[in-house]
Amino acid sequence: KNQVEQSPQSLIILEGKNCTLQCNYTVSPFSNLRWYKQDTGRGPVSLTIMTFSENTKSNGRYTATLDADTKQSSLHITASQLSDSASYICVVCMFSGGYNKLIFGAGTRLAVHP
Amino acid sequence: DTEVTQTPKHLVMGMTNKKSLKCEQHMGHRAMYWYKQKAKKPPELMFVYSYEKLSINESVPSRFSPECPNSSLLNLHLHALQPEDSALYLCASSQEGTAISYEQYFGPGTRLTVT
Repeated sequence: KNQVEQSPQSLIILEGKNCTLQCNYTVSPFSNLRWYKQDTGRGPVSLTIMTFSENTKSNGRYTATLDADTKQSSLHITASQLSDSASYICVVCMFSGGYNKLIFGAGTRLAVHP
Repeated sequence: DTEVTQTPKHLVMGMTNKKSLKCEQHMGHRAMYWYKQKAKKPPELMFVYSYEKLSINESVPSRFSPECPNSSLLNLHLHALQPEDSALYLCASSQEGTAISYEQYFGPGTRLTVT
C-alpha cells in the first residue's frame, strides 16, 4: 500500500531553536518527494521538491534530505521563527494512470513559542 | 504570477442548496485539481482536469460536479450536500498532469460548512 508516515505528530519548540521532522514512505513507483508548509485554513505552499537522485535541498532556513534507499526524508528548520508555526506535510509523488498522483502524509504540527 | 485564487473564502449552505466554488489561475497551467481536506487530515484528491478534460474522478459522489469552462477556470458545483461534506476545498494547478517534476500550486481554499 502506498503510504507516507510522518513523525512526530506535533512538536513545540522555542523561538530560535532548530528542529527536524521525519518522513518515511512506501510509495512505488517513486517520482519525487515534496515538503509543504500549510498554515491553518490555508492551502499548502511548497518548500522543496527532490527527485531520487537528490540527497539534500535547501530553501532558506529549511533543509530537506532524502535517502531513496531507506525511503526516508527529513526537514530541518534552523533558527525557528514564530511564523514557522504551521503544519508541515511530506508528499510523495508517484506517476500513476498517466498523471502525477500525490500521496500526502498526515503532517507534523509545529508550534514555535516565544 | 504564481497565484491560484479561490472564491468564496467561506461558504455556509443548507442541504437543499445549490452552490458553486470557483478557482482561477493565470499561469498557463493545463492541469487543475480539486482536493477535499478535513480538519487535521491531509488533502484528498477529488478530481483532475488535464487540458480541460476530466481525467481523474476519485469515486466522488455525484452531488459534487466539476466543470472546467476554459484553461484558466475550474468550478465545483455542489448540490444536496451532507453535513459530513463540510471541509476545506482546495484547488491546485500544475503545468501538466503527466510531467513528473511539475509543481502543484495550491489556492487558499474555500471553507465549506453544510448545515
